[in-house]
Amino acid sequence: DTGVSQDPRHKITKRGQNVTFRCDPISEHNRLYWYRQTLGQGPEFLTYFQNEAQLEKSRLLSDRFSAERPKGSFSTLEIQRTEQGDSAMYLCASSLSRGQGYNEQFFGPGTRLTVL
Amino acid sequence: DQQVKQNSPSLSVQEGRISILNCDYTNSMFDYFLWYKKYPAEGPTFLISISSIKDKNEDGRFTVFLNKSAKHLSLHIVPSQPGDSAVYFCAALGGAGSYQLTFGKGTKLSVIP
Repeated sequence: DTGVSQDPRHKITKRGQNVTFRCDPISEHNRLYWYRQTLGQGPEFLTYFQNEAQLEKSRLLSDRFSAERPKGSFSTLEIQRTEQGDSAMYLCASSLSRGQGYNEQFFGPGTRLTVL
Repeated sequence: DQQVKQNSPSLSVQEGRISILNCDYTNSMFDYFLWYKKYPAEGPTFLISISSIKDKNEDGRFTVFLNKSAKHLSLHIVPSQPGDSAVYFCAALGGAGSYQLTFGKGTKLSVIP
């Protein structure tokens, strides 16, 4: 059983360019989350999917950010017109819903974005 | 406004001794708490969790204690091992059916051989 995988692991881009990251959750996990982590901070929630439905979005997710999970499996996070402030580690996590209550979220290795 | 606070940025402990990492929260709606461990260049790894209906949960060398009235939780690692050296994040869930984790800033634990 493989864990959560993310691609690419590192991305360097110039300001104003668009970037897209991919996340493959643990198979059969129906919930998928995106977080962002900057230096010296804990991860901050961006958005959450249950199957293919995007159910929560943070106000951190500006209109330059869009996330999709078209078939309820992998997910993509796109950032348009990147800014230097977008430089961060982007983390994906997944969990299995067992009905009521919470379940542990398992994280991938992250994609480190550097905007020059 | 930091809803989950880890006030100690770092902690050093001798190998074999107890490590105690602390976490405070302000949001009364939080009802599930988790600890994650993070090595450099890796994502956070789930360690242990506790529901607000409990005050203690144990898993091997790791024990989490929850004091709801004080809005405080702690992670005890006994005995500490050099491989435990990492950044530990406290995280909380809850409120309006939300599934978003709210993290503290982390505590860097160094276990000295």
